[in-house]
Amino acid sequence: AQSVTQLDSQVPVFEEAPVELRCNYSSSVSVYLFWYVQYPNQGLQLLLKYLSGSTLVKGINGFEAEFNKSQTSFHLRKPSVHISDTAEYFCAVSALSGSARQLTFGSGTQLTVLP
Amino acid sequence: DAGITQSPRHKVTETGTPVTLRCHQTENHRYMYWYRQDPGHGLRLIHYSYGVKDTDKGEVSDGYSVSRSKTEDFLLTLESATSSQTSVYFCAISATGGGSPLHFGNGTRLTVT
Repeated sequence: AQSVTQLDSQVPVFEEAPVELRCNYSSSVSVYLFWYVQYPNQGLQLLLKYLSGSTLVKGINGFEAEFNKSQTSFHLRKPSVHISDTAEYFCAVSALSGSARQLTFGSGTQLTVLP
Repeated sequence: DAGITQSPRHKVTETGTPVTLRCHQTENHRYMYWYRQDPGHGLRLIHYSYGVKDTDKGEVSDGYSVSRSKTEDFLLTLESATSSQTSVYFCAISATGGGSPLHFGNGTRLTVT
């Protein structure tokens, strides 16, 4: 079984400030890791993913995340946020084994960018 | 946006009535999923399909059934709706069982009174 913990349910930050959204996971097998963003009244959109290789992955809208296997973490970062980044962000993990890939989501972090 | 259409977008129904939600895709993807989203819980998998007539349960499958008679359609049925099934339901699709990401529909908001 796998699980995901997003350590902060709400993160307020001022415009142009840096932000880090934290994600820790648990799994007995190797995993793929994802970050999704959800804008109000919409479905989720993929921000970035880690499958293998370089532990620093870059995504859309200037976001990046770093996979840390020893700490079982996959924190999301952006050096300078904009008002338009206000949304809910979900970390997700998928085990490499099994006949169908099941994505397990964290409970989400609401990022609010303040003017 | 990936070609995923959920219908209806909103529905209000009474306790004890059957409800069917539809997900239609135009991407010819093999994998289809139904999730529910509730505050504080993120998204939880209800059922998924890995091919026509091939389905399996997720972590919150009690009270739900699914069917997939065609590649493009994945139906979620609440046989007898309860207030605890009030939620936002999302359909998602994926091309492969590997590292390909999920593409989500815009959701169906279901209220059971």
